[in-house]
Amino acid sequence: AQSVTQLGSHVSVSEGALVLLRCNYSSSVPPYLFWYVQYPNQGLQLLLKYTSAATLVKGINGFEAEFKKSETSFHLTKPSAHMSDAAEYFCAVSDSGGGADGLTFGKGTHLIIQP
Amino acid sequence: DVKVTQSSRYLVKRTGEKVFLECVQDMDHENMFWYRQDPGLGLRLIYFSYDVKMKEKGDIPEGYSVSREKKERFSLILESASTNQTSMYLCASESAIAKNIQYFGAGTRLSVL
Repeated sequence: AQSVTQLGSHVSVSEGALVLLRCNYSSSVPPYLFWYVQYPNQGLQLLLKYTSAATLVKGINGFEAEFKKSETSFHLTKPSAHMSDAAEYFCAVSDSGGGADGLTFGKGTHLIIQP
Repeated sequence: DVKVTQSSRYLVKRTGEKVFLECVQDMDHENMFWYRQDPGLGLRLIYFSYDVKMKEKGDIPEGYSVSREKKERFSLILESASTNQTSMYLCASESAIAKNIQYFGAGTRLSVL
């Protein structure tokens, strides 16, 4: 069974500062990893995904994440935070790549951007 | 664009009522999911379906059932609502070909009084 741990339920950064949201996974097989974002009063939308190709994955809105097998991590970064980045971010894992057994989500990290 | 529509944004029901949450997707996706979202707990999978009339239990199916009579529609049913089912409910769909890229509805915030 797979699981993800997101360190920090709330992260606060200043506008223009580096954003770093941490995610560690546990999986018995090579994982597929995802970051989803939820803006206020909306459903989740896919930010980026890792599916065993390049270890550095670029997503939408300037976000990227790096898969590090040795650290079982998939941290999300953005060089310069913008006020519009304020949202809830979820890391998710799947160990199947197939089969409709759903994703396993982390508990989420609420990103706060200080002006 | 893929659209997943949940019939209600907000619902208020009384304990013991039977509650139906409806979800419709317009992309002919095979797979559909129901999650509940609670603060500090993230998203937890209730049920999913990979075909019409097929359903599988997720991590927290107790107190819920589902119905998928048509490919585009996936309904979540609370047979007898209880206060601990007060939550945000999210529906998602995905293509069987592009698995794990799930498209979510805006959610239904259910309050059970």
